[in-house]
Order: sequence, then C-alpha cells, then structure tokens
Amino acid sequence: DGGITQSPKYLFRKEGQNVTLSCEQNLNHDAMYWYRQDPGQGLRLIYYSQIVNDFQKGDIAEGYSVSREKKESFPLTVTSAQKNPTAFYLCASSKKGAGGYEQYFGPGTRLTVT
Amino acid sequence: KQEVTQIPAALSVPEGENLVLNCSFTDSAIYNLQWFRQDPGKGLTSLLLIQSSQREQTSGRLNASLDKSSGRSTLYIAASQPGDSATYLCAVVPTQGGSEKLVFGKGTKLTVNP
Repeated sequence: DGGITQSPKYLFRKEGQNVTLSCEQNLNHDAMYWYRQDPGQGLRLIYYSQIVNDFQKGDIAEGYSVSREKKESFPLTVTSAQKNPTAFYLCASSKKGAGGYEQYFGPGTRLTVT
Repeated sequence: KQEVTQIPAALSVPEGENLVLNCSFTDSAIYNLQWFRQDPGKGLTSLLLIQSSQREQTSGRLNASLDKSSGRSTLYIAASQPGDSATYLCAVVPTQGGSEKLVFGKGTKLTVNP
C-alpha cells in the first residue's frame, strides 16, 4: 500500500528534551511538509522540502529543525527552544510542481511535553 | 496574506439531510483548493481537489464548487449519513510564496444524527 507513515502515534517527553518525529512516504513524491495543529486553530506550516537536501522554513519554524537526506524521509526535531511543543503534528507529501498537486497526509503524532 | 474562513464552526443535522459547508478566502490568487475530512485524533483525508481553472469537482455524494473571483467554495454533501460526522477542512495553495504550502481554515465540525 502506498502512503505516508508517522511514528510514534503518541509521544511523551519532559521539558528540556529534544524529540524527533518520523515521517516516511512511499508515494515517490518530491515535496514533503510538516504542519502543526492546535485546538481551535487551523493547521500551520512548520517546514517544507521540495527536493532532497533542501528545505525551507514555514510560518512557525522557530524551535524546530528538519533534514531531508532521502526522498522518502523527512524527520522533524522538536527542540527544547520550542516554547509550546505540545500539539498534534502532521506530515504531508505531494508531487513537485506549480502548486497544482494534491497533498496527502499521514496519521499524525500527538506530542505531549510536561 | 491569505486567510481562509469556514462558517459555521459546527453543524448538526438529522440523517438524510442535504447540506452545504462554506469556505471563503481573501486572495483569489490560488493554484487550487482542497477539501479534507478529519476524524477525531486522526490525520487528514483528501476529499476533493479543485484546480483554479475548474468550477467544481464531484466524488460520490460530495460536490465541491469554486468561485475564485468571489473567493468562495462550497462542499455539498447529499443524503448525509452518521458516518459523515467529522471535521471538514478547506485549504488553498496561494500562488505567491514559492511553495505548495496549504493555508487552512479552522474547519466545520459536522454531526449527523441517526
């Protein structure tokens, strides 16, 4: 089955610890994205990557870091510098193009930091 | 800056009713508009993608329309069923910004009562 996988589904961490969220896709998509979802707010873009070894900051990149060493993988690290890390994190992917392609989402990771 | 608004925030209807969900966006310069469904605690499922040159798209009991000049889209659900209960999200890809990032509304939470 083609799709996007995110792991783990639930993640608990103590304040001050860095944590890495996994995102893998087997859709052969060039572009990948990380969004954050908070109650009562729309999804907001954290980082995106349109090609391997290249990525760009989204609207709320502070306190986060990413890497794109392989086409299939786009891990997100939530650092201790992120002031409000507790949220639902969603990874997405799409074909690269002039904005005309459908985005597909993974099942999400719920991160709780105490 | 592109903003997406969805009204109403919540909607409750009896089973079998036809219904319309509304989405508006402030800047008509978009590549496409996408409607998603999200079940509690889950990722997003893409329902329909409308390119900026299109007026509508249909899939089963769902029909989405796009009026780019007025900045509006509607999602029509025919003969609603309890299984349609979910949050429906609308998102656009602005042509400005150099990426295919989605700008989301906050969603409409739909409850279909048996």
